[in-house]
Formats: sequence, C-alpha cells, structure tokens
Amino acid sequence: EVQLLESGGGLVQPGGSLRLSCTASGFSLSRNAMSWVRQAPGKGLEWVSALGSGGDSTYYIDSVKGRFTISRDNSKNTLSLQMNSLRAEDTALYFCASPFIQSPANKFDCWGQGILVTVSS
Amino acid sequence: EIVMTQSPATLSVSPGERATLSCRTSQSVNSNLAWYQQKPGQPPRLLIHGASTRATGIPARFSGSGSGTEFTLTISSLQSEDFAVYYCQHYNNWPYTFGPGTRLE
Repeated sequence: EVQLLESGGGLVQPGGSLRLSCTASGFSLSRNAMSWVRQAPGKGLEWVSALGSGGDSTYYIDSVKGRFTISRDNSKNTLSLQMNSLRAEDTALYFCASPFIQSPANKFDCWGQGILVTVSS
Repeated sequence: EIVMTQSPATLSVSPGERATLSCRTSQSVNSNLAWYQQKPGQPPRLLIHGASTRATGIPARFSGSGSGTEFTLTISSLQSEDFAVYYCQHYNNWPYTFGPGTRLE
C-alpha cells in the first residue's frame, strides 16, 4: 500500500521557521512528481509548491516564493518543505501529495493526512 | 494566475437525486481539469482527471464533462457517502489553482 506521512508541524511565532517532512512508504519518491498543498482552517485548498519528477524543476506560489523551499532526499525517501519568515496567513493544514495529475510519471494519486502549522505569537 | 469559480456554493439534495456541479476558469485550461472530493478530516480524493476520465476506483455515478473554460461534475444518484465538499482544480500551467468548492448537503 502506498502511503505518505507528514511530520514537523506545530506552533511557531511570526518570522520563525519550520521544516515539514513527508516520508513515503510503498513507493519510491525519487521517481514521482511531488507537491505540498495547504488548507487554512475552514477554508479551501491551495497548491503551494511542486517538485518535478526529475527533481530539478521547482514551483512556488507567489505568496511563499523566497520563503519556502521544496526538496527531496532520495536516500531517505522523504520530501521536505523548509518554511522561513512564517506569517499568520501561512497557518494551515499542509498536505504532502504525489498527485496523479502532476506528471505522467505518477501512476497513482496519493495524499498524506496532513500536518498542522500554526503561526501565532 | 487562472481564477476558478464554482457554483453553487452549496447544493441541497437528497439521496437518490442527481447533482450537477459547475466549474468555470478565467481562461482556457483545455481538458486539464480535475475534480476532488473532500470529507472533514480527510485529504482530497481524486475523482476525475482530464475533465472526464474517472480516477481508479471511482464509481460510475460520477461523471465529468467540459473543456476550455466550462466544466461540469455530475453525480447521477447520490449516495449517503457522497455528501462532502467538491473542488475543481486546473493543472494546465503553474500555478495550479482550486475552485472555492461546492458543498453537498
């Protein structure tokens, strides 16, 4: 069974940093395009960042550009999202995903259960 | 950025009825449109990709149609487990964006 498990969330003060991790089981992250999608409390979905299957292409929405960095560690089968200069509006449930629609390399659609990030003083 | 709109925001229906959900994009996304279902406390579940292709394991009562800027998700006969929020999402180019969702109640 393919699964994604996020970790690293929590409460952080505005301006602080947090690193989210996502560990895959049942498949190799190295071959898949991966993404982070977030959902503010009671709100809709927002596609925050994407990483191509080759690992060289990265994408960010404007509101996180220059503050967030997506990366992959193939040896640990892990996807990460380094989040710096956090703002209150970054408060959300963050989903790690290997979305079917992102790349022909993705043969299935897999999402984690999400990890909560709260930015507050 | 492509702006997504969905209508209605809330749809009140009964089990066994047909539900028709609409999605519009601010510019053409060709057929690069997906539909997701989300229940409370769960991640999104892919229902439809390519505007009209059901994802693996999705029941035949779910169907998608449209291309360009106008899309529809139809649930032919609602089951109790179908009451959820439905999002359309384009993947024609970055940034990928979601619609605001339609809640079935």
